[in-house]
Formats: sequence, C-alpha cells, structure tokens
Amino acid sequence: DQQVKQNSPSLSVQEGRISILNCDYTNSMFDYFLWYKKYPAEGPTFLISISSIKDKNEDGRFTVFLNKSAKHLSLHIVPSQPGDSAVYFCAASQYSGGGADGLTFGKGTHLIIQP
Amino acid sequence: DTAVSQTPKYLVTQMGNDKSIKCEQNLGHDTMYWYKQDSKKFLKIMFSYNNKELIINETVPNRFSPKSPDKAHLNLHINSLELGDSAVYFCASSQRPVETQYFGPGTRLLVL
Repeated sequence: DQQVKQNSPSLSVQEGRISILNCDYTNSMFDYFLWYKKYPAEGPTFLISISSIKDKNEDGRFTVFLNKSAKHLSLHIVPSQPGDSAVYFCAASQYSGGGADGLTFGKGTHLIIQP
Repeated sequence: DTAVSQTPKYLVTQMGNDKSIKCEQNLGHDTMYWYKQDSKKFLKIMFSYNNKELIINETVPNRFSPKSPDKAHLNLHINSLELGDSAVYFCASSQRPVETQYFGPGTRLLVL
C-alpha cells in the first residue's frame, strides 16, 4: 500500500526551463513533507520541506507547493540547471505524532536536464 | 567532515552468514534510523532509535538488530543472511524524531 506516490518515473526538461515534480499522498495524518535529491551511489540529500500549516515554501530556485485538500504536493525548480539531474524523492511524516515512525518515501522521479 | 558515514560501502557475502554495518554521525543528533532501499527502489524505514527507545517497523525480520553503543553510532547486525536481504541500506539521523533527516551514503549489500 503506497502512501506516497510519485507517478512519473522520469522527467526530461530543457536547461533554463521550469521543472515540476509531482507527489500525491493518501494518509491524511501526514503533516510534514520533504523533498530529497539523490545522485547515483550517494545517500539522499535534503532539499526543502513544508509543514501542513503552509501551502508554499521557497528556497532559492526551489519552491514546494502543498494542496492539502487534493493531498498533492509539487516541487518547482526554476531555472533548471544540469546539476539538477538526479532522482527526486518525495517524503512525508506525522510531525504531530512525534515523527518516530520515520519518513514514508515515494518511489522517486528521475529528472534529466537537457542542455 | 562527513556528517553521516557508513562502513562498509559495499558488502558481498554468502547466504547464512552474519554481518554488521556501522553508522556514525557527527551532527550531535539525538535520533538515528536505518532504511532499506530494495530492488524496486522504495526507501523504507526499518528502525528509529532515540534516547535508548527503539521503534521497529513490524515488517522487519528479527534477524535484523540495531545496536547503539552511544548517541553517535547505530550499527545494524544481520544474522543468517538471505538472498532477499540484498539491497542498499541507508543510515540517517535527525536532531529530534520530527525534524529533517540527514542520510549516509549507503551500504550496498549483495547476498550470494
């Protein structure tokens, strides 16, 4: 039972354009969401997070949007750069529940930035 | 300067053997975790360990046991290795259970 879904296994975007990565979740108890970036043979690296009390969080070129009613979040990267080519994981947790259950991850989306 | 480190990076072993993977964090975090990334690329929580409290994912076989000699270390012991244990194992840490987790580089385990 996948509680966090990333339905696009891969996404190809031209350098300089906007990359939009999508994530859906089914567990209404999730109230804290994160995006991680992963290069081959490395561990996931934290990118940006958002609490359910917000609908947008921005950090430089990265913006995460949260639509609680649709149980949907998205990561926008603008402008996209070659170094952004990686696998992006969406993750969720129950912040209000203490978080000790760890993070629930999606399967990841492989973003490819074309020159 | 590595924040979360794991050893070994690669581990190839025979079925039935017992092995350990070590994890160390120098971030001063109070909580550590082990995750497994299987062949389908899902990252799943195995354990979290905070202030000597161990929380276990109920799907983890009892052949897997975490051991924490101190706050900066959480090692993973695996007994009687099986083919299905082949995966990438990631250690992570956070200041508190609810906060952002930082991951190690992973240990690639191959059971033959």
